[in-house]
Amino acid sequence: EAQVTQNPRYLITVTGKKLTVTCSQNMNHEYMSWYRQDPGLGLRQIYYSMNVEVTDKGDVPEGYKVSRKEKRNFPLILESPSPNQTSLYFCASSKRRNRVDQPQHFGDGTRLSIL
Amino acid sequence: AQKITQTQPGMFVQEKEAVTLDCTYDTSDPSYGLFWYKQPSSGEMIFLIYQGSYDQQNATEGRYSLNFQKARKSANLVISASQLGDSAMYFCAMREVNTDKLIFGTGTRLQVFP
Repeated sequence: EAQVTQNPRYLITVTGKKLTVTCSQNMNHEYMSWYRQDPGLGLRQIYYSMNVEVTDKGDVPEGYKVSRKEKRNFPLILESPSPNQTSLYFCASSKRRNRVDQPQHFGDGTRLSIL
Repeated sequence: AQKITQTQPGMFVQEKEAVTLDCTYDTSDPSYGLFWYKQPSSGEMIFLIYQGSYDQQNATEGRYSLNFQKARKSANLVISASQLGDSAMYFCAMREVNTDKLIFGTGTRLQVFP
């Protein structure tokens, strides 16, 4: 089954404790992206990747890191999480870059709570 | 700057009736894609329908149709014959051609009642 898989689905942790949210897709998509969703703000892009070893900042990259060493994986790293990073996070992927007609396929989301 | 505006925070509709969810957009790019996603209470984002800026006809997918008015920069989602399972948050989004980024509106919460 074609899908984007995020782990964990839920995480409660404390300020300053490094964490990684994994994202994997099995559709051979070039493009992958991370978004965060906050009430009243919709979804905002954190980082994106057009291809392996190519990553770039989105609208809200502060406090996050990513890497794209393999085509299928795009982990999101919070080196020193803070309470303002409490949010619902989505990983997404799509078939081609620079093609506006390709829908992005989303993972089921990761709900992070930073205490 | 590109922007998506959804002015209806919440909508109610009776089962089996049609409902229109509004979306306006702003962009200077001649080529763009408009998408609608559904987010049920379980949280996942489900792709519903796509409309391209050069498409001559309005997109349709089953009970979903998109009322695309390019001159007015609007891309309203029409759900026909609403079902209880349609109760969810609905997001309008536009894809940037250069970065592939999806720009989302703030969403409309639809409640379908019996």
